[in-house]
Amino acid sequence: DTEVTQTPKHLVMGMTNKKSLKCEQHMGHRAMYWYKQKAKKPPELMFVYSYEKLSINESVPSRFSPECPNSSLLNLHLHALQPEDSALYLCASSQAIPRQGGNEQYFGPGTRLTVT
Amino acid sequence: AQRVTQPEKLLSVFKGAPVELKCNYSYSGSPELFWYVQYSRQRLQLLLRHISRESIKGFTADLNKGETSFHLKKPFAQEEDSAMYYCALSGYGGATNKLIFGTGTLLAVQP
Repeated sequence: DTEVTQTPKHLVMGMTNKKSLKCEQHMGHRAMYWYKQKAKKPPELMFVYSYEKLSINESVPSRFSPECPNSSLLNLHLHALQPEDSALYLCASSQAIPRQGGNEQYFGPGTRLTVT
Repeated sequence: AQRVTQPEKLLSVFKGAPVELKCNYSYSGSPELFWYVQYSRQRLQLLLRHISRESIKGFTADLNKGETSFHLKKPFAQEEDSAMYYCALSGYGGATNKLIFGTGTLLAVQP
């Protein structure tokens, strides 16, 4: 299995709602990532998990809360979001330890989030 | 500073014409360079990596360390090549897992 899957595909939520995005991979990768992507812009890194531990938080507001329950799953819990948080949220996975060759990341299809 | 520069926001060519999407990078160590492609309403996909020196869908890219460039080339563009292309780099030798993306070039192939 060489795919990263994400659910749901689309999500509309109000500013007072709590929701979660889910990501799964079965490639044996031990690094997983959350990105935010606005239209016609490159992905912006939010969080990196390495061996199920949070290794990078790119100063993301606390209304976004990541969780890595096991080596195959990654969640992003959302609470009290703002309309400007509307975007495509991408999950990715890769080998955990940077080395010569093999540092590519594999991306899921994304969850298109609209905050009303 | 680590940086990837794609100078063209939009590149419009006719079908059958050669294509070159430019990418320059700035990195103090030994980077690994990639091209990713995002077709309309599809996931971001790995197109090429410099380590493999391969040709995918007729595209090639050669790492030029002297010019710190990794330009993407195709001799004859096809309409189905229309997409957003991102150049990206990943450093190794350290603890970071970051991919640094350029701002992207939208390739539009006209019939």
